[in-house]
Amino acid sequence: ETGVTQSPTHLIKTRGQQVTLRCSSQSGHNTVSWYQQALGQGPQFIFQYYREEENGRGNFPPRFSGLQFPNYSSELNVNALELDDSALYLCASSLELASSYEQYFGPGTRLTVT
Amino acid sequence: AQTVTQSQPEMSVQEAETVTLSCTYDTSESDYYLFWYKQPPSRQMILVIRQEAYKQQNATENRFSVNFQKAAKSFSLKISDSQLGDAAMYFCAYDPLTYDEKLTFGTGTRLTIIP
Repeated sequence: ETGVTQSPTHLIKTRGQQVTLRCSSQSGHNTVSWYQQALGQGPQFIFQYYREEENGRGNFPPRFSGLQFPNYSSELNVNALELDDSALYLCASSLELASSYEQYFGPGTRLTVT
Repeated sequence: AQTVTQSQPEMSVQEAETVTLSCTYDTSESDYYLFWYKQPPSRQMILVIRQEAYKQQNATENRFSVNFQKAAKSFSLKISDSQLGDAAMYFCAYDPLTYDEKLTFGTGTRLTIIP
């Protein structure tokens, strides 16, 4: 069984640019959540997708957007990058929507904005 | 909004000894989940243990157990017989089981195992 994978591993962007991060969910998982983890902090919930529809969003501006595809892989897009967007971005997939189902995390993408 | 507080930024323990990591949370809900996650240097979050609030019995997973005090809104993690592989950041997390609010994490405790 393949685990959750994310690409790229590391990324350096310039302020004002746009970035797309990718997540491949664990096989059979239809729910994916994205988190931002700033240095020295715990992860913060960005949004969740269930069967290609957004199912909840944290306190992040609209320039953070996402997609979930029919194969349940997912993208996180960030427009107009700011220095504070520098962080580790984690995705997590689960078999179903309910909280009783364990979330499996990927290794993250380290984004640096200069 | 719910908050999760981990008041110990760093902890250390001798190999084979027992250590307890603290977590408190704030909520007005009566039903929710609580979790402890481990994040090693590889960065991948791994679920250590989960507690459902309506269950009074404390969860246990091998060497890991929790002390869940619902009235005090406290959820500590005890690691027995500490091993070198236990060294990691440990995060306490809260799930309110509502549509638009998901996991809220604490700021983490860095656990060092002393050989």
